[in-house]
Amino acid sequence: GQQVMQIPQYQHVQEGEDFTTYCNSSTTLSNIQWYKQRPGGHPVFLIQLVKSGEVKKQKRLTFQFGEAKKNSSLHITATQTTDVGTYFCAGILTGGGNKLTFGTGTQLKVEL
Amino acid sequence: NAGVTQTPKFQVLKTGQSMTLQCAQDMNHEYMSWYRQDPGMGLRLIHYSVGAGITDQGEVPNGYNVSRSTTEDFPLRLLSAAPSQTSVYFCASSYSIPGGAYEQYFGPGTRLTVT
Repeated sequence: GQQVMQIPQYQHVQEGEDFTTYCNSSTTLSNIQWYKQRPGGHPVFLIQLVKSGEVKKQKRLTFQFGEAKKNSSLHITATQTTDVGTYFCAGILTGGGNKLTFGTGTQLKVEL
Repeated sequence: NAGVTQTPKFQVLKTGQSMTLQCAQDMNHEYMSWYRQDPGMGLRLIHYSVGAGITDQGEVPNGYNVSRSTTEDFPLRLLSAAPSQTSVYFCASSYSIPGGAYEQYFGPGTRLTVT
């Protein structure tokens, strides 16, 4: 079954509201990556986290890697219509060699 | 640089037909992979390769074959298409490190329908 789950599956927000998606793995991850896929497009890399407890920011986006390296989150402050898309986490499961496993994704819709 | 290119963009097959999805990259990346994307399932790894002549199975390899004769190309072959293989297929490439991962560059995708 799916080893990397994301919640929620869908999120509708009003422009200006905050948004968070959570990524949970059944096993520890050696790293975590985040991607954004616009409707009709392909996934585009946003960031990679490697260290336990690591926090990185990109403008309105904050990424966090859990202390146990089994979960991660992406938080967007004051969403804009340009944030619309599906956000995926991805990581190498411990013992997974070079296999990059993607999460199930969270689809974000932003309404004016 | 063209990045990662995929052909065709769209394809309709009848059950039992075979075909090859093409993927090429011009970034000299060692790591290449194929994913399929289905609603609510995220991106599932079909096959991947860490260099020319080396391939391995991902989560959902059944019904698909791959080979990697050059660094640039990584074709995906559907042996006998089934309706369950209706999906969007993405090829991706990156630099490679053992047990780790770099930024994945994705192609534009191939939308496949099997009737």
